[in-house]
Amino acid sequence: AQSVAQPEDQVNVAEGNPLTVKCTYSVSGNPYLFWYVQYPNRGLQFLLKYITGDNLVKGSYGFEAEFNKSQTSFHLKKPSALVSDSALYFCAALGGSQGNLIFGKGTKLSVKP
Amino acid sequence: NAGVTQTPKFQVLKTGQSMTLQCAQDMNHNSMYWYRQDPGMGLRLIYYSASEGTTDKGEVPNGYNVSRLNKREFSLRLESAAPSQTSVYFCASSDLKNTEAFFGQGTRLTVV
Repeated sequence: AQSVAQPEDQVNVAEGNPLTVKCTYSVSGNPYLFWYVQYPNRGLQFLLKYITGDNLVKGSYGFEAEFNKSQTSFHLKKPSALVSDSALYFCAALGGSQGNLIFGKGTKLSVKP
Repeated sequence: NAGVTQTPKFQVLKTGQSMTLQCAQDMNHNSMYWYRQDPGMGLRLIYYSASEGTTDKGEVPNGYNVSRLNKREFSLRLESAAPSQTSVYFCASSDLKNTEAFFGQGTRLTVV
């Protein structure tokens, strides 16, 4: 079965420090991978995606993610965290012939001043 | 562009009542999705439609039905609501060529 795993329910980071939110995937074929962010009482907003090409992809608000095929991972990173980055982050994968978009359970990022 | 529009934003139902959640997108996307979001569970796919005229079950389809009325609209129906269906429901759409999904603002449903 296809799946996306986010092993950390919560990540705590001090403002100005680098942050990493982890994601691993299990999908058939070449995966399309995504990160979304959700602020309280809002819908999901797209951050970045990996389709093909360079393993390091850059997205909105200074976020980037590294695709690692051998480790089946797609970790989200930011060099210097902001308090305003505090939100719920979701990793997702598009796999299979039907285009079924699968989400991880989400990781709550808390950035403290 | 409005993007993905869901109605209603909030709804309270009594057990056994029925209702339909409406979703429309104006981006000419082929694929549309319905998810439910529950604390600690992330987003779970209820149904999806890869193109107009087709629908497929997702991870948690029981108790729900869907209709892809046309390319723009994808509705989710609860025939007999149960307290276990208390959740926040999100509709999304994507174009498989681009693959990025766009989400509505959500419907917060409470079944009492």
